[in-house]
Amino acid sequence: GAGVSQSPSNKVTEKGKDVELRCDPISGHTALYWYRQRLGQGLEFLIYFQGNSAPDKSGLPSDRFSAERTGESVSTLTIQRTQQEDSAVYLCASSTDRREKLFFGSGTQLSVL
Amino acid sequence: AQSVTQPDIHITVSEGASLELRCNYSYGATPYLFWYVQSPGQGLQLLLKYFSGDTLVQGIKGFEAEFKRSQSSFNLRKPSVHWSDAAEYFCAGSNFNKFYFGSGTKLNVKP
Repeated sequence: GAGVSQSPSNKVTEKGKDVELRCDPISGHTALYWYRQRLGQGLEFLIYFQGNSAPDKSGLPSDRFSAERTGESVSTLTIQRTQQEDSAVYLCASSTDRREKLFFGSGTQLSVL
Repeated sequence: AQSVTQPDIHITVSEGASLELRCNYSYGATPYLFWYVQSPGQGLQLLLKYFSGDTLVQGIKGFEAEFKRSQSSFNLRKPSVHWSDAAEYFCAGSNFNKFYFGSGTKLNVKP
């Protein structure tokens, strides 16, 4: 596609439910990143994929968070047993390599009631 | 640990005044450095990037940034701010494919 696509754009869920957030990176981009942006705050690194492997998962806040990537393409971020503090915009970005800019998706606004 | 720090959370300048947003990095080697802007309701847009060579880099919208190794800084500047520059600005560093973002600086522009 022309850019990084994220779905859904908005997700409202009840506390304790599981959610899946999807990211379609730009075709050919081997690097994929997930960030979280809480209201009024900066970007918080969650996880980075190079191809289908995740050499750096250090930003995942707890074991309720997991992510996978398949076919060096689509990535899914899963949050189990959601909590109210998980409410944020989840941003996905892709890149060809570290010398090039990140292309960001428009994000998924997650609201946990 | 590798990190990028933006010491100013909020900055307010008058339209037409000059602007400097601070960014400091902490890396073992010189990272690749970037400035992004996030306008209200919009996604992140790259303003400029530094890899090597000339330490003063020019970006879009009249922005420039200067890399100073001795100060581990990569400050963003603009000689004359426009009201449309009101946004949040993020400094980022990249080393071995991992991007680190600063916490952002919110810029307000007074008429």
